[in-house]
Amino acid sequence: DTGVSQNPRHKITKRGQNVTFRCDPISEHNRLYWYRQTLGQGPEFLTYFQNEAQLEKSRLLSDRFSAERPKGSFSTLEIQRTEQGDSAMYLCASSWGTVETQYFGPGTRLLVL
Amino acid sequence: GQQVMQIPQYQHVQEGEDFTTYCNSSTTLSNIQWYKQRPGGHPVFLIQLVKSGEVKKQKRLTFQFGEAKKNSSLHITATQTTDVGTYFCAGVGTNAGKSTFGDGTTLTVKP
Repeated sequence: DTGVSQNPRHKITKRGQNVTFRCDPISEHNRLYWYRQTLGQGPEFLTYFQNEAQLEKSRLLSDRFSAERPKGSFSTLEIQRTEQGDSAMYLCASSWGTVETQYFGPGTRLLVL
Repeated sequence: GQQVMQIPQYQHVQEGEDFTTYCNSSTTLSNIQWYKQRPGGHPVFLIQLVKSGEVKKQKRLTFQFGEAKKNSSLHITATQTTDVGTYFCAGVGTNAGKSTFGDGTTLTVKP
């Protein structure tokens, strides 16, 4: 399967703990996006990369959130000092060039207790 | 910032009836995409519209992009139970970059 993969698929953590999610995009895609989705809402943009450069980060994203894509391939999203409000599905998507057709991964569902 | 709104939020139809969802952006878009998300699944790309007034068809699905490139619609003819899911539009602003998703229209189809 050459689609977008995300790990882990589920994460349960206690408030205050740090969590890290990984996304492996489709291999030839140079753009990678992170979104957060809660029940009944559309995907909410968090950040995106073109190759290894982080080009935009949502103003809604607090300093507790950081993302990296060190070699322009896989990406990690870290949330420090998790809060209950961080509970959501975290989606990763990738695309080629400036064509904005995005291919989504299955997501990582985070539950903060 | 750019806002994308979709209506209706929910639509319940009898199998065989038609369905339409509307998407409106607060700003002019360079393009718009439509995605479908099945319950428990992730968004799956359906189509991208780029040109003003563009109309594209995929079998029973018809997609339109408004002349002003600020609105779009998805129409499904003769719905089937396999059409169940949430349909999202996502608009890309004229400065390119990120997509802004609407909150979707959830379609349920009664057999």
